[in-house]
Amino acid sequence: SQKIEQNSEALNIQEGKTATLTCNYTNYSPAYLQWYRQDPGRGPVFLLLIRENEKEKRKERLKVTFDTTLKQSLFHITASQPADSATYLCALDREYGQNFVFGPGTRLSVLP
Amino acid sequence: DVKVTQSSRYLVKRTGEKVFLECVQDMDHENMFWYRQDPGLGLRLIYFSYDVKMKEKGDIPEGYSVSREKKERFSLILESASTNQTSMYLCASSLDAVQGLYEQYFGPGTRLTVT
Repeated sequence: SQKIEQNSEALNIQEGKTATLTCNYTNYSPAYLQWYRQDPGRGPVFLLLIRENEKEKRKERLKVTFDTTLKQSLFHITASQPADSATYLCALDREYGQNFVFGPGTRLSVLP
Repeated sequence: DVKVTQSSRYLVKRTGEKVFLECVQDMDHENMFWYRQDPGLGLRLIYFSYDVKMKEKGDIPEGYSVSREKKERFSLILESASTNQTSMYLCASSLDAVQGLYEQYFGPGTRLTVT
C-alpha cells in the first residue's frame, strides 16, 4: 500500500543547530516533492519544491534533498531559531504537479 | 499577495444539518482543493477542481460534495453532517501545473464541530 512517513512526530533541537527532518515514501513515484510549514491554527505555507531530477535545492537557511532511489527527502534548517518552531509537512506529487498527497508532519521545537 | 479566504473560522452544527463551507481565492488560480486535517491522520484530500464546473474526487469524498460555479469560488457541502465530520477544513488553490507552478496557497481553515 502507499505510505508517507515523516521521521518522528516531534523533534526538539537546540537553537543554532541544524534541524534535519525526513520524509520517506513507499509505492509512490513523485515527479515533484514539496515542503510546507504550518503554524498552530493556520493553513500550511509553501517553502520549497524539488523535482525528481534535482538532487538538492536551497533557499536561505533551508535545504532539501530528494533521493528517488531511497525514496526519501531530507529537509534541513541550518542555524535554527525559536521562530522556526512549527510543524513541517512534506507533500508528494501524484499527477504531474496538479495533485499532491501530504505526509503526517513533524512538529519541530527549537529551544533557546 | 495571494489570498485564500474561508467563510468561517469556527462553526458548530448539529447532526443531520446541511453545511456549506465557502472558499474564495483572488489570484485567478485554475486549481482549487478541499482538505480535512485531523490529529494523527494529517491532511487528507476530499475533492479538487481543475476548472469551473469540474470536480474530481480525492481520497475521502464520502459524505461530501462540492460546487464550483465561478473560477474564484469553491464550496464544500456536507449533505447531512455527522459527528465524524468534526474536523479542521482547509481550502487551497494553485496555478495550472502546465505553467510550471505547483505550490498550493492555503486558507486559514474552518474548525467545524458537529454535535
